[in-house]
Amino acid sequence: QSALTQPASVSGSPGQSITISCTGTSSDVGRYNYVSWYQQHPGIAPKLMIYEVTNRPSGVSNRFSGSKSGNTASLTISGLQAEDEADYYCTSYTSSSTRVFGGGTKLTVV
Amino acid sequence: EVQLVQSGAEVKKPGESLKISCKGSGYSFTNFWIGWVRQMPGKGLEWMGIIYPGDSDTRNSPSFQGQVTISADKSISTAYLQWSSLKASDTAMYYCARQNSGTSFDIWGQGTMVTVSS
Repeated sequence: QSALTQPASVSGSPGQSITISCTGTSSDVGRYNYVSWYQQHPGIAPKLMIYEVTNRPSGVSNRFSGSKSGNTASLTISGLQAEDEADYYCTSYTSSSTRVFGGGTKLTVV
Repeated sequence: EVQLVQSGAEVKKPGESLKISCKGSGYSFTNFWIGWVRQMPGKGLEWMGIIYPGDSDTRNSPSFQGQVTISADKSISTAYLQWSSLKASDTAMYYCARQNSGTSFDIWGQGTMVTVSS
């Protein structure tokens, strides 16, 4: 069971928008609308940002949005803020009834 | 308040056994799956497995099958992650998390750091 593929790092300036991709296969991302995204700041437990591809939990800024096309899901952050600097992980349900995480993407706000 | 509280940090020697815990409160513990996630030092998140405390139904990642045991005691709203013989490569932060209806982890524990060193 291979990890989903994410870029190791992305960067953007305050106010800009960035997109993080998450590529899986037809057995996970491509088959199910159960893709989630998590934000993790150093030394702190992850926080759910997006669930079921496009949904935001209560309390998460509407600057965060999710989408999916084929075997690739994406997280877009608009109006970048310094506090968005963190690691981001995607995860998907799989045909084995398990879940798999992406390798993680470090977002730098420069 | 809905929360998961994990047991404290552990320092063990290779070959020793260990059981760490995750206690839920503020919600019906038996009605939500609880998952375990590993994060090795400086590395990413790895999905280990989940358990449904209501009936102890379990799903394990192939990567961790046979390496750890996931269990739960619904009478005390607590899930467990257990090793019978630790290795240095088990050194990591371990998080428990509640899975909501959409298969996402919406509530996380604070993490338990496990260090295995001779």
